[in-house]
Amino acid sequence: DSGVTQTPKHLITATGQRVTLRCSPRSGDLSVYWYQQSLDQGLQFLIQYYNGEERAKGNILERFSAQQFPDLHSELNLSSLELGDSALYFCASSVGQRQETQYFGPGTRLLVL
Amino acid sequence: EDKVVQSPLSLVVHEGDTVTLNCSYEVTNFRSLLWYKQEKKAPTFLFMLTSSGIEKKSGRLSSILDKKELFSILNITATQTGDSAVYLCAVEGIFQGAQKLVFGQGTRLTINP
Repeated sequence: DSGVTQTPKHLITATGQRVTLRCSPRSGDLSVYWYQQSLDQGLQFLIQYYNGEERAKGNILERFSAQQFPDLHSELNLSSLELGDSALYFCASSVGQRQETQYFGPGTRLLVL
Repeated sequence: EDKVVQSPLSLVVHEGDTVTLNCSYEVTNFRSLLWYKQEKKAPTFLFMLTSSGIEKKSGRLSSILDKKELFSILNITATQTGDSAVYLCAVEGIFQGAQKLVFGQGTRLTINP
């Protein structure tokens, strides 16, 4: 158990819908990272927040957005969902701003039908 | 375009063998290279490398970085069935003032008893 929690564990929804994935980092960690892992694309870095502010951006689509709240939990919002958004979404956390030792949560498996 | 290429994509060996996994990269303003192990669930951090020629070691695993030739290797000696996993290489760079993390496609390692 890494100490990073993610909810929900599984999510099934329809195309065009909007979902919110939630992540709570390890106690004391200030950075939260979001990743998408699909079979054909592998693990893709989406976005990083550090202490409430966006720190780094990867291959995040405009339909996706994230934020980190004052209590340091983070939410990833996915809107206008498409079949290709079906994937495993991981959240990770680390103490500092650099992408050093990151602890991954168990992931949320999203299926878009 | 930033890219990270891992080889081989898949490797099957017998328990006790030694394996070498490769990661080559082209990333703007390189900062660090990270190795992760992913079994059935979330990736777990193995190593972070920033300097050329300095070997990092953890038990039977070791890794080294060559910043001149732009590659890293991950060695596993005396392999065990528990080493079976996908090994991911990721490179951190700075692009247009922002940090960016790019993952390779992974090497699937299978250790047969």
